[in-house]
Amino acid sequence: DQQVKQNSPSLSVQEGRISILNCDYTNSMFDYFLWYKKYPAEGPTFLISISSIKDKNEDGRFTVFLNKSAKHLSLHIVPSQPGDSAVYFCAASDSWGKLQFGAGTQVVVTP
Amino acid sequence: ETGVTQTPRHLVMGMTNKKSLKCEQHLGHNAMYWYKQSAKKPLELMFVYNFKEQTENNSVPSRFSPECPNSSHLFLHLHTLQPEDSALYLCASSQDFEGSTEAFFGQGTRLTVV
Repeated sequence: DQQVKQNSPSLSVQEGRISILNCDYTNSMFDYFLWYKKYPAEGPTFLISISSIKDKNEDGRFTVFLNKSAKHLSLHIVPSQPGDSAVYFCAASDSWGKLQFGAGTQVVVTP
Repeated sequence: ETGVTQTPRHLVMGMTNKKSLKCEQHLGHNAMYWYKQSAKKPLELMFVYNFKEQTENNSVPSRFSPECPNSSHLFLHLHTLQPEDSALYLCASSQDFEGSTEAFFGQGTRLTVV
């Protein structure tokens, strides 16, 4: 049973524009959410996180929004840059610490 | 440099072979994990070790056997694998096994079973 879902397998965005990645979850016990970025032939690297007590966290060009009532979070990247082309994984964790990952969204930033 | 090192980076093995994947972290973390990433599938958690004790086996077949001799090293012993076991195997570590800590990943071992 997949508890974290990224329904868009790919996203193409023009350089300088905003990239919006979406993630939905089903387990109401999740209280911590993370986004990871993965380049080919590399392991995922941590990007940004948000606790369930917040609804927004911002770090430079990256902002994560959490809507607990909708069990939905999103990652905004603005402005998008060519180096942002990668696979982005949404992950969620409950108090037991086990991370559940989505299937990933491939982002391609075009010139 | 993520602080989590996996060897080998690539491995091709026959179904009758025995091989081991190695993971090493020098971040002072107490929890280590094995994940499997198959094409177009979510990352699947396989095993969790917390303070060298296995705390989770996510219904992984016995042909995968983990070993954690100390908090810095984690192995995944492989024997009589199947072609469908071909995937990227990722090791990760975190400060401890709690929800509010990020996991740091190694670069992975690309395994091909022939």
